[in-house]
Amino acid sequence: NAGVTQTPKFQVLKTGQSMTLQCAQDMNHNSMYWYRQDPGMGLRLIYYSASEGTTDKGEVPNGYNVSRLNKREFSLRLESAAPSQTSVYFCASSVAMNTEAFFGQGTRLTVV
Amino acid sequence: AQTVTQSQPEMSVQEAETVTLSCTYDTSENNYYLFWYKQPPSRQMILVIRQEAYKQQNATENRFSVNFQKAAKSFSLKISDSQLGDTAMYFCALNSGGSNYKLTFGKGTLLTVNP
Repeated sequence: NAGVTQTPKFQVLKTGQSMTLQCAQDMNHNSMYWYRQDPGMGLRLIYYSASEGTTDKGEVPNGYNVSRLNKREFSLRLESAAPSQTSVYFCASSVAMNTEAFFGQGTRLTVV
Repeated sequence: AQTVTQSQPEMSVQEAETVTLSCTYDTSENNYYLFWYKQPPSRQMILVIRQEAYKQQNATENRFSVNFQKAAKSFSLKISDSQLGDTAMYFCALNSGGSNYKLTFGKGTLLTVNP
């Protein structure tokens, strides 16, 4: 049972570089989310997709873009990485917006 | 906007004892769901327990139970017979419907179980 799979698990970027974090779920969930986790801040929602074909901004969307490629996949793109984007990123999915979310194992991103 | 507040950044408990983690929340919705997640050092987010707001009965999962006070907007987690493996960061989370569909987390409580 793969659940929610994120790649990569670790990444180091230089300021200004771009990259895409990949996320896929095999649970046939409708809703998917991207969070960032910083010390003392808990998890903050970056973007979410309530269903295939829709995306919406969360609490901290600046500097990020997302694509809901199909029902399974929801990617997060950093166009021009900044040191403030150093964080642990989590992808999650849920059957619907009002049910529990299942999380991937996270991506530790460092921007130098 | 919905908010979730965890006022205890850190707590500790002796093995086999009971500990309660606090959580308060705010939402304008009537139908919503509350969750407690556990994040051990492995970083994995693990669902501990869930509570539907329309249910008056408090949810229970083995050694974990909640005290859900809807009028007070309070949702505390009680861990009985604490074990070393319970050492983790615990997050309270709220998911409400309406036009504000999203899962909002508190800042977490770091629980340490001491032998």
